[in-house]
Amino acid sequence: AQSVTQPDIHITVSEGASLELRCNYSYGATPYLFWYVQSPGQGLQLLLKYFSGDTLVQGIKGFEAEFKRSQSSFNLRKPSVHWSDAAEYFCAVGARNNNDMRFGAGTRLTVKP
Amino acid sequence: DTGVSQNPRHKITKRGQNVTFRCDPISEHNRLYWYRQTLGQGPEFLTYFQNEAQLEKSRLLSDRFSAERPKGSFSTLEIQRTEQGDSAMYLCASSPFSAGSNYGYTFGSGTRLTVV
Repeated sequence: AQSVTQPDIHITVSEGASLELRCNYSYGATPYLFWYVQSPGQGLQLLLKYFSGDTLVQGIKGFEAEFKRSQSSFNLRKPSVHWSDAAEYFCAVGARNNNDMRFGAGTRLTVKP
Repeated sequence: DTGVSQNPRHKITKRGQNVTFRCDPISEHNRLYWYRQTLGQGPEFLTYFQNEAQLEKSRLLSDRFSAERPKGSFSTLEIQRTEQGDSAMYLCASSPFSAGSNYGYTFGSGTRLTVV
């Protein structure tokens, strides 16, 4: 069965600094990988997804993620963080036919002024 | 289309009461999913439908939980004889389906259940 590990429960960065959120997955076949963002009291919004092809994928709000098969990782990055990026970030792995998606426990991002 | 809609946004109920939540997916999406999210955790899969057929149920979905999607449009999730451990955010999501593809999900804003 697929699973996702997000090693960092909480990360604090200064506004304007770069950001990297870690994600490791376990899946027996080719994974479909996703990053979602959740603001307090809200649902999840899709930031980006990876299925195949170029291992560096671009998403919304200036985010990107890199798939590294050898490390079973799919880390999320942003070159310069804005205060509005403060939220909870979830990495997820899904199957080819999107039967169900498994989420990590999330990383809470705090942005210092 | 305004996305995935969930009602109510918040529900407070007494232990032992029954509650029902509604989800209206994006109209052209034939797959609909229910997830539960507790504080500090990621969403946990409960069940999903393709059109009106319920194709998979998690072991988290005890016999007190039932979900329906009549006519393949909106869906309801009912919890009978609620317990304090049922307090959580219940998230609905929808997606299009095409064999061999995974488009990711569009989530609603969730229904927050508090059992007192």
